[in-house]
Amino acid sequence: DGGITQSPKYLFRKEGQNVTLSCEQNLNHDAMYWYRQDPGQGLRLIYYSQIVNDFQKGDIAEGYSVSREKKESFPLTVTSAQKNPTAFYLCASSVTGLGANVLTFGAGSRLTVL
Amino acid sequence: KQEVTQIPAALSVPEGENLVLNCSFTDSAIYNLQWFRQDPGKGLTSLLLIQSSQREQTSGRLNASLDKSSGRSTLYIAASQPGDSATYLCAVGTGANNLFFGTGTRLTVIP
Repeated sequence: DGGITQSPKYLFRKEGQNVTLSCEQNLNHDAMYWYRQDPGQGLRLIYYSQIVNDFQKGDIAEGYSVSREKKESFPLTVTSAQKNPTAFYLCASSVTGLGANVLTFGAGSRLTVL
Repeated sequence: KQEVTQIPAALSVPEGENLVLNCSFTDSAIYNLQWFRQDPGKGLTSLLLIQSSQREQTSGRLNASLDKSSGRSTLYIAASQPGDSATYLCAVGTGANNLFFGTGTRLTVIP
């Protein structure tokens, strides 16, 4: 079945450590996105990529980095520069840009900083 | 900047009741509007997508309407069931590679 796989589902990090969240899709979608969800707040866009080897910052990119070396994969690294990284992270994809198409989401990764 | 509001934040209804969830947005220059469902600790599932030129979309017991001029959308759920219990989010697409999400309405359908 086609879909988006995020791993790990749960991740614990010590302060000062970088961690990488995996996102893989087999939907043949061109565009991929990373969102952050905090309690009581709407989803906020971290980074997005419309094509391989290209990505753009979203509203809250500081302290995060991404790469898009393959169409299927869009990993997110949460760096030590992110001051409040504890959150639920959601990866999504769409056929093309956000404005035109339905988004498909992964099941999410919950990051907790100890 | 587009702001999306969903009221109420939480809603409880008895099984079988019809209900309406509300979504309002501040900038009417939108590309589309989507309604999503989110179960606790899970990702989002797209329910309905309404393009800016459309007035409504239907899928089964769900009907979503869009009034761009007033900056409002509603999600109507007919004959609610306990399995409908979840958080429902609306998101406005601006055509600028972003969706602006509301904070959601947490629905509980009581058997």
